[in-house]
Amino acid sequence: AQSVTQLGSHVSVSEGALVLLRCNYSSSVPPYLFWYVQYPNQGLQLLLKYTSAATLVKGINGFEAEFKKSETSFHLTKPSAHMSDAAEYFCALGVSFQKLVFGTGTRLLVSP
Amino acid sequence: AAGVIQSPRHLIKEKRETATLKCYPIPRHDTVYWYQQGPGQDPQFLISFYEKMQSDKGSIPDRFSAQQFSDYHSELNMSSLELGDSALYFCASSLGPGLALNNEQFFGPGTRLTVL
Repeated sequence: AQSVTQLGSHVSVSEGALVLLRCNYSSSVPPYLFWYVQYPNQGLQLLLKYTSAATLVKGINGFEAEFKKSETSFHLTKPSAHMSDAAEYFCALGVSFQKLVFGTGTRLLVSP
Repeated sequence: AAGVIQSPRHLIKEKRETATLKCYPIPRHDTVYWYQQGPGQDPQFLISFYEKMQSDKGSIPDRFSAQQFSDYHSELNMSSLELGDSALYFCASSLGPGLALNNEQFFGPGTRLTVL
């Protein structure tokens, strides 16, 4: 079965610290992988996506993710956290050519 | 830039009532997706339409139905509402089906349905 696992429902960092949000996937076919961000009471905004091109993907707001097939991972990183990065982050896997399967989400908390 | 529009943004219903959620995709987008996000949960795919035809189906209850109209807007009809249907319902749209490089799904702000 195709699935996504996000390790850690909450991650707390200090402003200026490295952000690392973990995502592992299970897929029987080459995956399409995505990271979305959700601010309170808002929709999902695409941060970045992997579609079998470069394994290091750069997204918006300084985020990037590296696809590692050997580790079945697609972790999201940002070198320096801002207060405005506090939100819920979802890793998603594209399946059956259309629908997205989401992980359970990681809430990022940024303290001053 | 125009985004996906969903209406209403908030809806309160009683058990066993019906509800209709509407989604207006980004202009020229021909594919619409519906997702359900329960409290504290991840979004779950319900159903999608491409060129007014159902293109994929997920965990959508039989009490729910949906369609896409000639202007590409979509409606999700929910009958015999249950307490467990309380959730945030997202609509997304894309230009063309599939998850290829250029067929990114753009999400609307969601409709928050509360069933009392």
